[in-house]
Amino acid sequence: AQRVTQPEKLLSVFKGAPVELKCNYSYSGSPELFWYVQYSRQRLQLLLRHISRESIKGFTADLNKGETSFHLKKPFAQEEDSAMYYCALSGLGTGNQFYFGTGTSLTVIP
Amino acid sequence: SAVISQKPSRDICQRGTSLTIQCQVDSQVTMMFWYRQQPGQSLTLIATANQGSEATYESGFVIDKFPISRPNLTFSTLTVSNMSPEDSSIYLCSVEGLAGGPGTGELFFGEGSRLTVL
Repeated sequence: AQRVTQPEKLLSVFKGAPVELKCNYSYSGSPELFWYVQYSRQRLQLLLRHISRESIKGFTADLNKGETSFHLKKPFAQEEDSAMYYCALSGLGTGNQFYFGTGTSLTVIP
Repeated sequence: SAVISQKPSRDICQRGTSLTIQCQVDSQVTMMFWYRQQPGQSLTLIATANQGSEATYESGFVIDKFPISRPNLTFSTLTVSNMSPEDSSIYLCSVEGLAGGPGTGELFFGEGSRLTVL
């Protein structure tokens, strides 16, 4: 069964502290992993995808196939990072179903 | 990218009634998806809306409860029928890729429709 697990519903860190949002997955094929973010009063949007290997807004995420993880990290959290973060999985290519985790609400304390 | 407009943005409905949510995209897209986001839960795919054919429903969702229309490549509707309080949720329209071209593998979302059923 395909599944995405985000163990933390709520996460609070102080401004300037490192932050890590955990994501583990199970998938029988070759997955593509994503992080989506929803800021207050905004729509859900893509933050980054593992294929791009980009750093977006200071966030990075490395796909660890051995541990089946795709944790989202940022070395120095900013107040504007406060948002809801969803880890998502899809099969490689297009037309595949996306599976979402339950989300982690990140609060960065000034 | 695609710009997606959903309406209504929110509504309060009475038990037993039905509500239709509209989703308009500013470009032609091959695949449109309808998700449900219940409080504290992940986004759950209800169905894939296919242009020119019936929608494809996921396990646990049926056409009688969630009829979907897809009259063209830029528009879709989702109806929540015979509503009960358990249907209170955010319903999201989403698209991936452009018609006739390669998909991006990225989902674009509408702002969501927040339904409260009394």
